[in-house]
Amino acid sequence: DGGITQSPKYLFRKEGQNVTLSCEQNLNHDAMYWYRQDPGQGLRLIYYSQIVNDFQKGDIAEGYSVSREKKESFPLTVTSAQQNPTAFYLCASSAFHRDGTNEKLFFGSGTQLSVL
Amino acid sequence: AQKVTQAQTEISVVEKEDVTLDCVYETRDTTYYLFWYKQPPSGELVFLIRRNSFDEQNEISGRYSWNFQKSTSSFNFTITASQVVDSAVYFCALIEGGSNYKLTFGKGTLLTVNP
Repeated sequence: DGGITQSPKYLFRKEGQNVTLSCEQNLNHDAMYWYRQDPGQGLRLIYYSQIVNDFQKGDIAEGYSVSREKKESFPLTVTSAQQNPTAFYLCASSAFHRDGTNEKLFFGSGTQLSVL
Repeated sequence: AQKVTQAQTEISVVEKEDVTLDCVYETRDTTYYLFWYKQPPSGELVFLIRRNSFDEQNEISGRYSWNFQKSTSSFNFTITASQVVDSAVYFCALIEGGSNYKLTFGKGTLLTVNP
């Protein structure tokens, strides 16, 4: 089955620790995204990548880093500089319409990150 | 700057009732795309619909229907004869034509359908 796999489902971070969230897709999509979701809030864009070896900051990139070395993979590192990392993190990839516009995003099932 | 407002934070209905989820958007672009997503308790967002700014036709898909009105900048979503399985958080979202990768989401509406 094609889709997006995020792991782990739950993750705990200690003070001063960096943690990495995994995101893998087998949909052959060029574009991938990381969103953060806080209770009662919408999704906010952290980083996105249009293509391998390229990525751009979203609206709340501070304290996060990403890499895109393979088309299938877009890991997100939550660094110790992120003061309030507790949130639900969603990875997505997107398909594009024939006219080149973004057709829709496909989402993974998310990772809940909590601070110990 | 683009913005999406979902004024209804939570809605609770009894099964078989009809329910409308409101979405109001702001954009300066004349070309844009509107989306609705469903987030069940499992957490994964599920795509429901994409509508471009040049197509104001209403759409119906089974028990779901969407009313797009540019005059009021609204893209409302109606579920007819709601079912318990419709319980979820529903998000409205917007992409402007000039920024193909930045999808802006509303804060979502939590719909609870009680048996």
